[in-house]
Amino acid sequence: KNQVEQSPQSLIILEGKNCTLQCNYTVSPFSNLRWYKQDTGRGPVSLTIMTFSENTKSNGRYTATLDADTKQSSLHITASQLSDSASYICVVIEFSGGYNKLIFGAGTRLAVHP
Amino acid sequence: DGGITQSPKYLFRKEGQNVTLSCEQNLNHDAMYWYRQDPGQGLRLIYYSQIVNDFQKGDIAEGYSVSREKKESFPLTVTSAQKNPTAFYLCASSIAADEPYEQYFGPGTRLTVT
Repeated sequence: KNQVEQSPQSLIILEGKNCTLQCNYTVSPFSNLRWYKQDTGRGPVSLTIMTFSENTKSNGRYTATLDADTKQSSLHITASQLSDSASYICVVIEFSGGYNKLIFGAGTRLAVHP
Repeated sequence: DGGITQSPKYLFRKEGQNVTLSCEQNLNHDAMYWYRQDPGQGLRLIYYSQIVNDFQKGDIAEGYSVSREKKESFPLTVTSAQKNPTAFYLCASSIAADEPYEQYFGPGTRLTVT
């Protein structure tokens, strides 16, 4: 059972262009939602963290939005750079049994071309 | 990658052999985690430890074992009972597991079993 779905699976854009990545989830009870960036062969690095009461959170050129009613989140990347090429992973935190469990999406693989 | 180190970066083993992956953190975090990452799938939790000398099974613990004798160290042993051990293994740590503190990931170990 996959509780965090990301789309698209992969995306190619030209340097300087904007893009938006999508995340739909069915996790409940929901604690918070995070977006991570993972370079090939490396560990994920946190970009944004949002609680259920937050609608948007920015980190430089990265802006995440959250609609807790429709259980959807998006990550918008502005003025893309070659270094943005990576996998972007949506993670929803489920609070269960005194433990905060991270439920990971499969990620969107972004390639930024010159 | 913060203050989490994993070694080695690449590991090759013959089928039927046990192998131990190292994870060390100097962040003074109480909680540590092991995840497995396979192509096209989200990270899956193998084991986690909330405190020294205590650990809990995650979603895919079969064929794996861990120990937590020191706060800084959380080694993972992939046993010969693990049917598909070839994967990218990620270690993470957080201040604690009972609140949604951020998890910091190590650089990962890619294990190949032939």
